[in-house]
Amino acid sequence: GAGVSQTPSNKVTEKGKYVELRCDPISGHTALYWYRQSLGQGPEFLIYFQGTGAADDSGLPNDRFFAVRPEGSVSTLKIQRTERGDSAVYLCASSAFYRDTSYEQYFGPGTRLTVT
Amino acid sequence: ELKVEQNPLFLSMQEGKNYTIYCNYSTTSDRLYWYRQDPGKSLESLFVLLSNGAVKQEGRLMASLDTKARLSTLHITAAVHDLSATYFCAALAGTASKLTFGTGTRLQVTL
Repeated sequence: GAGVSQTPSNKVTEKGKYVELRCDPISGHTALYWYRQSLGQGPEFLIYFQGTGAADDSGLPNDRFFAVRPEGSVSTLKIQRTERGDSAVYLCASSAFYRDTSYEQYFGPGTRLTVT
Repeated sequence: ELKVEQNPLFLSMQEGKNYTIYCNYSTTSDRLYWYRQDPGKSLESLFVLLSNGAVKQEGRLMASLDTKARLSTLHITAAVHDLSATYFCAALAGTASKLTFGTGTRLQVTL
């Protein structure tokens, strides 16, 4: 079946602009996660949704970052007033959570964000 | 706070040789994951280890988990060039659900 999809695959924006990154999880997966991966590093957790609500947003670096999942499926990560330090690959993952006690997370291809 | 450390960070090995990547984590975690990442690509799940003493094998890769030592290993047997990639371990703290990743081990298998 279809995996996690993310759009766009690449985004180049100017410092100070607003961007939205979209994630479409595996159908039926209730849990959705956003991670950020800087060059040469492991992914770092940003936010986790269970259904429509953010169950843990402790990884969001500051209030310029916000994420929504209004219908419990697609999620959008929003970054205001982008800074060069926001440049990274943003990864989305989903898991079946309650139906799969391994809690395995399946990752999308990522969005490479470059802030110039 | 859960922390995950991997070593080595970089590993260059010849085809046909064996080697082990180590993953230590700082607090209790009974779910440990191994992922592979090719350059410019996303994360591919390799193994999910759910309990103490768990051992899983797929081809030339074998992963194990010792929850008492807070240690997981990824053993590579008779390496081939196709195994060149970056390997990450990640631990799940309880039901927190967020994964904490190690810094990765970049494996380069030379002919």
